[in-house]
Amino acid sequence: DQQVKQNSPSLSVQEGRISILNCDYTNSMFDYFLWYKKYPAEGPTFLISISSIKDKNEDGRFTVFLNKSAKHLSLHIVPSQPGDSAVYFCAASAERTGTASKLTFGTGTRLQVTL
Amino acid sequence: ETGVTQTPRHLVMGMTNKKSLKCEQHLGHNAMYWYKQSAKKPLELMFVYNFKEQTENNSVPSRFSPECPNSSHLFLHLHTLQPEDSALYLCASSQDLGEGYTFGSGTRLTVV
Repeated sequence: DQQVKQNSPSLSVQEGRISILNCDYTNSMFDYFLWYKKYPAEGPTFLISISSIKDKNEDGRFTVFLNKSAKHLSLHIVPSQPGDSAVYFCAASAERTGTASKLTFGTGTRLQVTL
Repeated sequence: ETGVTQTPRHLVMGMTNKKSLKCEQHLGHNAMYWYKQSAKKPLELMFVYNFKEQTENNSVPSRFSPECPNSSHLFLHLHTLQPEDSALYLCASSQDLGEGYTFGSGTRLTVV
């Protein structure tokens, strides 16, 4: 049973426009959510996160929105740039033991920013 | 340089071979992880180590054997693997969830 779902495997957006990547989750125990970006031949890199006590977190061009009642989060990138072309993973956490955190990942959405 | 180094980057092994994947981090993190990424599947958590102690074994077959001799090093020993074990194996470390995991570049494993 997939607890974190990214239903759009790919997304194409024109440079300068807004990219919106969506993520749904089923586990109501999740209380921390993260987005990662992955380029080919590299490991995922942390992008932005949000705690369940918030509904929005912003960092430069990246904003993450959380709708707890709908169990939905989204990542907005504005304006989109060609360098943003990558696979974006949504992840969620409910369990932490000391410094260790168990993250559950979605399948990823491939974003292509076109000129 | 991500701070988490994985070797080798690519590995091809036969089903009767024994090999090991290595992960090293110099970030001072106390938690380390092995994840598996297969095509069109989410990253699957395999093992979690917190202060060198294994805190999670996500129903991983015994042909995968982790070892964490200290907080900076993590190994994944492989033996008698199956072709379906071919995947990208990612190591990660963390100290504070607010900063997310730091991932290595992964080892692309092919079992023939």
